[in-house]
Amino acid sequence: GNSVTQMEGPVTLSEEAFLTINCTYTATGYPSLFWYVQYPGEGLQLLLKATKADDKGSNKGFEATYRKETTSFHLEKGSVQVSDSAVYFCALRGSGGSNYKLTFGKGTLLTVNP
Amino acid sequence: NAGVTQTPKFRVLKTGQSMTLLCAQDMNHEYMYWYRQDPGMGLRLIHYSVGEGTTAKGEVPDGYNVSRLKKQNFLLGLESAAPSQTSVYFCASSPVGNPETQYFGPGTRLLVL
Repeated sequence: GNSVTQMEGPVTLSEEAFLTINCTYTATGYPSLFWYVQYPGEGLQLLLKATKADDKGSNKGFEATYRKETTSFHLEKGSVQVSDSAVYFCALRGSGGSNYKLTFGKGTLLTVNP
Repeated sequence: NAGVTQTPKFRVLKTGQSMTLLCAQDMNHEYMYWYRQDPGMGLRLIHYSVGEGTTAKGEVPDGYNVSRLKKQNFLLGLESAAPSQTSVYFCASSPVGNPETQYFGPGTRLLVL
């Protein structure tokens, strides 16, 4: 079945530091890949997505590139802010019949200190 | 637009009690989902619905039931609560044309003693 593995947290950075959160996946066919973000006390919201190999998703300064050869979708940001403190979830949607279901990773807690 | 709303926000139950969590969406979405979020486990799908009157089991359905009598509402029921069901429950919805973009509610925190 489909699965998503993302780096264990928590991750603690200083403001303006570079961020990488690793995500790898296992899936058959050609899944779509996503990063969701959960701010404290809120539900998840879509941050960015990529639907085919070599696509780059980007939003709010975050980027992730769909690498089929390494089955990865790592999240990066060049300069984090305190307001980026949140839990980040990598997720995939399979290319098979149940294309409305997402498989989530366990989440990575990011704390950015001033 | 309120988006996805959940009631209640927080509830404490005793073992064996029953309750229903209500999810409502005003975006006319076809698909709706119930997840639970536990520390170190991420989100796990409990049940989902692909349209009014239909429901299906997700990854962890045992101990829960659901109903989708109206398109905008998706109810999650616990018939006999157990401490293992202490969790944060999230409802989400998504449109047919863009099913991977799920819109989440703010969550319900449930404590079973």
